[in-house]
Amino acid sequence: GENVEQHPSTLSVQEGDSAVIKCTYSDSASNYFPWYKQELGKRPQLIIDIRSNVGEKKDQRIAVTLNKTAKHFSLHITETQPEDSAVYFCAAPQGEYGNKLVFGAGTILRVKS
Amino acid sequence: DTEVTQTPKHLVMGMTNKKSLKCEQHMGHRAMYWYKQKAKKPPELMFVYSYEKLSINESVPSRFSPECPNSSLLNLHLHALQPEDSALYLCASSQDRVGAKNIQYFGAGTRLSVL
Repeated sequence: GENVEQHPSTLSVQEGDSAVIKCTYSDSASNYFPWYKQELGKRPQLIIDIRSNVGEKKDQRIAVTLNKTAKHFSLHITETQPEDSAVYFCAAPQGEYGNKLVFGAGTILRVKS
Repeated sequence: DTEVTQTPKHLVMGMTNKKSLKCEQHMGHRAMYWYKQKAKKPPELMFVYSYEKLSINESVPSRFSPECPNSSLLNLHLHALQPEDSALYLCASSQDRVGAKNIQYFGAGTRLSVL
């Protein structure tokens, strides 16, 4: 089955700096990679996702890159703001047409103002 | 509208009680999920329903019993829970299988405390 590893487990940055979170996956058939942000006491919310036919996707200050050969994908947040402080989870589906999303362990991002 | 609605928001129950968690979506999604989440940990999959049939049970203890009465509703029946079952229970839905690149949307969760 799919195994997703996420690093780092915690990340502290100064406001305005960039933050990068990396994930690796094991199942070469996986073809969809979402990123979720979860603020304290709230639901996980999808912030960006990437499908296997593209290498990079950007949405304002957030971008995701995918390297299918190396089986890793990364979340990039530029010009970080205090409201970016949250737990971030990467995920990958188990199998090309599976119905299970396998999550990474999460990264606690703290943006210091 | 990408709303998944869960009730109740909070629940406190004793170890001998029977209670139910409810989840509803009106997006026409055909896959629905129950997750358990402990603080600062990733959501842990419990059950998946696909087209109203149970397709995945992640070896969940029988004190948790899922039910899908129709394509919009998902219930989780709770009986004889243990204190270690205290957690945030999240419901989610997606148009179809996540492996087919379908976005999974989460409800706000039910915060469960077992005394």
